[in-house]
Amino acid sequence: EPEVTQTPSHQVTQMGQEVILRCVPISNHLYFYWYRQILGQKVEFLVSFYNNEISEKSEIFDDQFSVERPDGSNFTLKIRSTKLEDSAMYFCASSQGRLNTEAFFGQGTRLTVV
Amino acid sequence: AQKVTQAQTEISVVEKEDVTLDCVYETRDTTYYLFWYKQPPSGELVFLIRRNSFDEQNEISGRYSWNFQKSTSSFNFTITASQVVDSAVYFCALSEKATGNQFYFGTGTSLTVIP
Repeated sequence: EPEVTQTPSHQVTQMGQEVILRCVPISNHLYFYWYRQILGQKVEFLVSFYNNEISEKSEIFDDQFSVERPDGSNFTLKIRSTKLEDSAMYFCASSQGRLNTEAFFGQGTRLTVV
Repeated sequence: AQKVTQAQTEISVVEKEDVTLDCVYETRDTTYYLFWYKQPPSGELVFLIRRNSFDEQNEISGRYSWNFQKSTSSFNFTITASQVVDSAVYFCALSEKATGNQFYFGTGTSLTVIP
């Protein structure tokens, strides 16, 4: 069964460092997303991406964040200068369509900023 | 304001009991989708069901059933004859036509099934 894969599963980084979280969406999906879940809290939308550009983003997705689809398979989230409060589980998701399909989520990358 | 409210933070049941997880949503959109996801201790989010706003028919899938009622803006999830493997955090989510495929998640209900 096709699945969304994320690497690494756990990343520890020092405050102020840049991190790149990687995702491989399901191959025939067209919409890609990043969500964040701070420990013990709800899952929050960060950004959606379609046709090689950001289609929607939340207030959380400020200038320190960026997304990219560098090739035909990977979808990355970059955090330029990490802060302690960026520590969270980051989920990548993909879907075939915009409205009438479910999003399939990856297993998540746990980011710990120290 | 919360678009999705899951008032039950934690629930514990004994194995084989039935349990209902509540979800109340808020939207002004006439076209929207409701979802349930399961997050087991391993952390991933597992899709369980999607419902669109025009289909109020209840659905049953094995031990799982969902009751969608637009009149009360609720989309409740019932597990019949619960099992230890059902222990997880369950999230209800809403997607509105107006805001594309952005999901609004509830705060989740942590279900513990005691053997």
